[in-house]
Amino acid sequence: GENVEQHPSTLSVQEGDSAVIKCTYSDSASNYFPWYKQELGKGPQLIIDIRSNVGEKKDQRIAVTLNKTAKHFSLHITETQPEDSAVYFCAASIGGSQGNLIFGKGTKLSVKP
Amino acid sequence: DAGITQSPRHKVTETGTPVTLRCHQTENHRYMYWYRQDPGHGLRLIHYSYGVKDTDKGEVSDGYSVSRSKTEDFLLTLESATSSQTSVYFCAISEGGSRGTYEQYFGPGTRLTVT
Repeated sequence: GENVEQHPSTLSVQEGDSAVIKCTYSDSASNYFPWYKQELGKGPQLIIDIRSNVGEKKDQRIAVTLNKTAKHFSLHITETQPEDSAVYFCAASIGGSQGNLIFGKGTKLSVKP
Repeated sequence: DAGITQSPRHKVTETGTPVTLRCHQTENHRYMYWYRQDPGHGLRLIHYSYGVKDTDKGEVSDGYSVSRSKTEDFLLTLESATSSQTSVYFCAISEGGSRGTYEQYFGPGTRLTVT
């Protein structure tokens, strides 16, 4: 069945450094790729997304890149701050599913001051 | 949390008892989803709804049923709770529609413990 793999499972960086989280997906019909940030005790929050007709998208310190040929996409956070510390999830739409998503298992990002 | 509330926020129940979780939205979005979140598994889809009285199964639907009698409410029922259903449950909503607007917005979650 459809699968999304996410790496690494944990990531520790110094404040000001960049962080990169990578995901691969299996369903060639996937065309929507969101990223979520989840803080402790809260629901996931949509932070950025990308569609299959776009290769890269930026929003301030956050960017997402998509390589449809290789079936992978990545989240890039620049100039990390302690408040970026959270669990990040990638997801991919399931082809023909009316927008259903399959999620990666998450990356716990720690930004050390 | 995008106009989404979940109730209760915490519940402890005994094995074999029925449990109903409620998701309420004020956004008038067409699609609603129930997920469970467990360590090491990320978020897994239980059931979803694409309109009033229109529902379908997700990846981990066994042991769960849902109902949607109004646009704003989506109920998740565990007919006979088991310890394996101890989890955090999240509701999500999506506008959906012909524009293919897939963005899903999540509620604050319900922590369910089955003893």
